[in-house]
Amino acid sequence: DIQMTQSPSSLSVSVGDRVTITCRASQAISNYLAWYQQKPGKVPQVLIYSASTLESGVPSRFSGSGSGTDFTLTVSSLQPEDVATYYCLFYKNAPYIFGQGTKLEIK
Amino acid sequence: EVQLLESGGGLVQPGGSLTLSCADSGFAFGSYAMSWVRQAPGKGLEWLSAISGSGGSTFYADSVKGRFTISRDTSKNTVFLQMDTLRADDTAVYYCARVSTADYLDYWGLGTLVTVSS
Repeated sequence: DIQMTQSPSSLSVSVGDRVTITCRASQAISNYLAWYQQKPGKVPQVLIYSASTLESGVPSRFSGSGSGTDFTLTVSSLQPEDVATYYCLFYKNAPYIFGQGTKLEIK
Repeated sequence: EVQLLESGGGLVQPGGSLTLSCADSGFAFGSYAMSWVRQAPGKGLEWLSAISGSGGSTFYADSVKGRFTISRDTSKNTVFLQMDTLRADDTAVYYCARVSTADYLDYWGLGTLVTVSS
């Protein structure tokens, strides 16, 4: 099975900072990569799919890039409401694989 | 609006069984594959299983293969997860999620808590 390695595991940043989270696949997965945001006590919400397509209703400060094995989620200017844990998801075929998660906190 | 509602969680003893249900509303249920994902307390997300729109194809993570069975009843707009031989490390919130036409998980239910303990 494919392995998804997400980094960093945690991040402490200031409001207004640019944030970058990476996800690396153990083999090429084309662009079958989604990013999810899970706020404390809440259900995961999709932010990005097909590596770079913004889900409807998601703020434009979120963006995704990458293809093959290396992918990036970027928050251009962090807002207080972005405090959450972020997960990547490989979904080209079963079994789907989540990254380990990145916990984002405000300094 | 798509809404998914899980039910059936609760406390079960190790070695026991439990069946979770996920009822949908707001979309053409039979047109979409459905999936189950779980999250152990304080841990990350773990994909468990999926079933095609017709119910003819099923898929499982190695961690639950042979113990969990996914099924669906299109007439009731419901997907099920039968869980057998439960272990303490199966304790988690279980979410059902819709598989979008682009194959990612787009809509999630609120989840149901399963606790495996004696």
